[in-house]
Amino acid sequence: GAGVSQSPRYKVAKRGQDVALRCDPISGHVSLFWYQQALGQGPEFLTYFQNEAQLDKSGLPSDRFFAERPEGSVSTLKIQRTQQEDSAVYLCASSLAGGNTEAFFGQGTRLTVV
Amino acid sequence: KQEVTQIPAALSVPEGENLVLNCSFTDSAIYNLQWFRQDPGKGLTSLLLIQSSQREQTSGRLNASLDKSSGRSTLYIAASQPGDSATYLCAAGGTSYGKLTFGQGTILTVHP
Repeated sequence: GAGVSQSPRYKVAKRGQDVALRCDPISGHVSLFWYQQALGQGPEFLTYFQNEAQLDKSGLPSDRFFAERPEGSVSTLKIQRTQQEDSAVYLCASSLAGGNTEAFFGQGTRLTVV
Repeated sequence: KQEVTQIPAALSVPEGENLVLNCSFTDSAIYNLQWFRQDPGKGLTSLLLIQSSQREQTSGRLNASLDKSSGRSTLYIAASQPGDSATYLCAAGGTSYGKLTFGQGTILTVHP
């Protein structure tokens, strides 16, 4: 596709509900990242995939957060039993090969937990 | 652990001014330093990427410099325009695979 696409753009979840956020990276991009951006803050790293392999998940805040990229393209970030502190914008980025290649970001999914 | 700080947190200038945004980072062992722009409700747009072996990068009215030894980068915007109004984020690339550590951003407002 022309850019990184994320869906849904907005999600309102009741506390305790499970949610799934989708990211379609740019075709052919090997590297895929998820970031969490709280209001008024910079994005914070959650996890990294190289193709289908999740090589760094050090930023996932708890075991309620799970990400996958089973075929090395589309990725899903799942949050179980959502809490109010999970409310944030979730950003996905992809790059051709990581390292010193430019990262392209999607528009993000704004999650509000009520 | 890498920490990135941006100063000022917010900046309001009249159109036409030249301005400087500052970014500092605590761990000089970086692969690159990137500057992004974020418009309200939107994702991030990459502006400039400076590799660790470089001192600066330029794109149009934008110039970014990098001083690894002092842990600082600056983004210079020449002849600012109202369309430049946005949040500017710097990010330190600390791994071979491109993991970024972001600052909290500088909110820039350019008024006519």
